[in-house]
Amino acid sequence: DGGITQSPKYLFRKEGQNVTLSCEQNLNHDAMYWYRQDPGQGLRLIYYSQIVNDFQKGDIAEGYSVSREKKESFPLTVTSAQKNPTAFYLCASKGQHNSPLHFGNGTRLTVT
Amino acid sequence: DQQVKQNSPSLSVQEGRISILNCDYTNSMFDYFLWYKKYPAEGPTFLISISSIKDKNEDGRFTVFLNKSAKHLSLHIVPSQPGDSAVYFCAASPPRGFGNEKLTFGTGTRLTIIP
Repeated sequence: DGGITQSPKYLFRKEGQNVTLSCEQNLNHDAMYWYRQDPGQGLRLIYYSQIVNDFQKGDIAEGYSVSREKKESFPLTVTSAQKNPTAFYLCASKGQHNSPLHFGNGTRLTVT
Repeated sequence: DQQVKQNSPSLSVQEGRISILNCDYTNSMFDYFLWYKKYPAEGPTFLISISSIKDKNEDGRFTVFLNKSAKHLSLHIVPSQPGDSAVYFCAASPPRGFGNEKLTFGTGTRLTIIP
């Protein structure tokens, strides 16, 4: 059945290492998004992509990078430049105008 | 600048009673509003939405009310059930051509239903 798959569920990295979070969708949605959730701060937009080979910065893009080579996939790289990378990362996709976002089940990244 | 605000971080309600979650927004361009429910370590799931051309939308036990003049929306859950215990986020977006591709989320309200 259709949905969004994020992997892995939990990820541990040493400080200074880049890490890539996977997001795949089979909903045939054009738009995909990455959000970050921190306690007491809700969901903050990192990057989004409305079409293949194009993406835009969200509100907190510094220290992150993305690619959109395929419609189904929107991987997020957390670079060593991200000052507070430990967080819960959520990927989402969206269909038509004024339709809701569909979220994956998230990846909990811990950097020590 | 928090454009979507949920001023109550937590709310406790007796099972069977009404739960009312509130959300305020500052951007008058917003014209589409949504509520999401989130359990720990899971992604948010969509609950209900409302367009600014309406002031009420109902789906089963869930009703969303929109007061455009006050820039306020609320989610009513009646009757409240133990499975409703979760964090609830409101979200908003402006019309197409004005950033419609982005949803702005509030900080969430943790609802606890007391058996």
